[in-house]
Amino acid sequence: GQNIDQPTEMTATEGAIVQINCTYQTSGFNGLFWYQQHAGEAPTFLSYNVLDGLEEKGRFSSFLSRSKGYSYLLLKELQMKDSASYLCAVNEDSNYQLIWGAGTKLIIKP
Amino acid sequence: DSGVTQTPKHLITATGQRVTLRCSPRSGDLSVYWYQQSLDQGLQFLIQYYNGEERAKGNILERFSAQQFPDLHSELNLSSLELGDSALYFCASGPRPGDEAFFGQGTRLTVV
Repeated sequence: GQNIDQPTEMTATEGAIVQINCTYQTSGFNGLFWYQQHAGEAPTFLSYNVLDGLEEKGRFSSFLSRSKGYSYLLLKELQMKDSASYLCAVNEDSNYQLIWGAGTKLIIKP
Repeated sequence: DSGVTQTPKHLITATGQRVTLRCSPRSGDLSVYWYQQSLDQGLQFLIQYYNGEERAKGNILERFSAQQFPDLHSELNLSSLELGDSALYFCASGPRPGDEAFFGQGTRLTVV
C-alpha cells in the first residue's frame, strides 16, 4: 500500500537547525516534494528530489535516499517565520498522483 | 501569487445545500488537482484532471463531483452538504501529472 510518515510536531529554537524526516512506502517513485504551509494558507513549493543526495537552496536543504525510502528537510538559522507545517509528497509514477504526508507542524521558540 | 485563482474565497451555507467551487489554473498548466483540508488535518487528495479528462481519484465522496472544461478551468461540486464537509478546499495546477503543483489560496467552506 501507500504510506508516508512524518512526525506530527517538532519544536526548535530561533537560530538553531532542525531536521524533519519523511519515510515513504509507495508502489513506484518518480520524485519527492517538500512544501511549506502556514496556517490557513496555501502550501508553497520548497524543494524536489528525484536522485539520491542533498539539494541545497539557501537556508533549506533536502536529502533523499531511494533505497531507504527516506528523505529529510533541513532548516538552518531558524527564524520565527519558519513556524509552519512542512508537507512531504511523493510522485508515485504509476498514475502520477502525488501522495501526501499529513505534515509536520514546526514550532519555533525565541 | 501562484497564478492559480480560486473563487469564492469564503462560503457559508446550510446543511443539505449544494455549492460549486471554481478554479482557474496557471496559464499553460494542463493538470488540475482538488484537495480537502479539514482543521488541523493534512491534505486529502480528491481528484485530478489532465487536459479535460479525469486522471486519478482519491477519497472523493459520491456527493462530490468535478470536471475540467475545454478552457481548462475546473469546478468542484459539493452536494447534500454535511457539517463535516466544512474545510479548506484547495485547487492546484501543474504542467503535467506529477510535476510540481502550484496551489490556489483555497476556498474556506463553512456548513452550518
